[in-house]
Amino acid sequence: KAGVTQTPRYLIKTRGQQVTLSCSPISGHRSVSWYQQTPGQGLQFLFEYFSETQRNKGNFPGRFSGRQFSNSRSEMNVSTLELGDSALYLCASSSGLAGALAKNIQYFGAGTRLSVL
Amino acid sequence: GDSVTQMEGPVTLSEEAFLTINCTYTATGYPSLFWYVQYPGEGLQLLLKATKADDKGSNKGFEATYRKETTSFHLEKGSVQVSDSAVYFCALSDLNAGNNRKLIWGLGTSLAVNP
Repeated sequence: KAGVTQTPRYLIKTRGQQVTLSCSPISGHRSVSWYQQTPGQGLQFLFEYFSETQRNKGNFPGRFSGRQFSNSRSEMNVSTLELGDSALYLCASSSGLAGALAKNIQYFGAGTRLSVL
Repeated sequence: GDSVTQMEGPVTLSEEAFLTINCTYTATGYPSLFWYVQYPGEGLQLLLKATKADDKGSNKGFEATYRKETTSFHLEKGSVQVSDSAVYFCALSDLNAGNNRKLIWGLGTSLAVNP
């Protein structure tokens, strides 16, 4: 079956702009998580959506937001972009069934690389 | 809070050499431990996992044993190939700390295998 699809693959924006990234999970998966990957900070958890509701949230400012649609596709929005937002943004999907993450393996997309100039 | 520490890279080996990538963790609860691999231009793939102490995860010739006494989950492979060149990430998911639905990551270790 098709994997996790993230679009676009690359984005270039300028400071102050906003951006929307998209993630289509594996068919049948209801949970979508977002991560930010930077060379200095590594991978950091942004938030998780399950059945259109935010279920878990990391320690990012309110400029970072997301949503999930009824077909489980998710979007992430970053407003008022800053230079430090330049990163690879990864989306991961899982079945999202109740229980620990070890029983709900996350499958990752190839990511969207955002460059803020 | 919970954290994962990995050995810094890059690690450069010749083909058929033995690989060890160290990973230690700090967790308040009972974490599950994971190794993910990221090949150039691709997303992360789960390599192996272990959910309780003394469990050994294995896949594609890679192994890691969950050592609670040393809070470690070192990745090993007996004979690496050029195709193993990638970045390897150690991660944990901590059930009892309310973090059971997110992964906490190490910074990654880049591995380059020369023919």
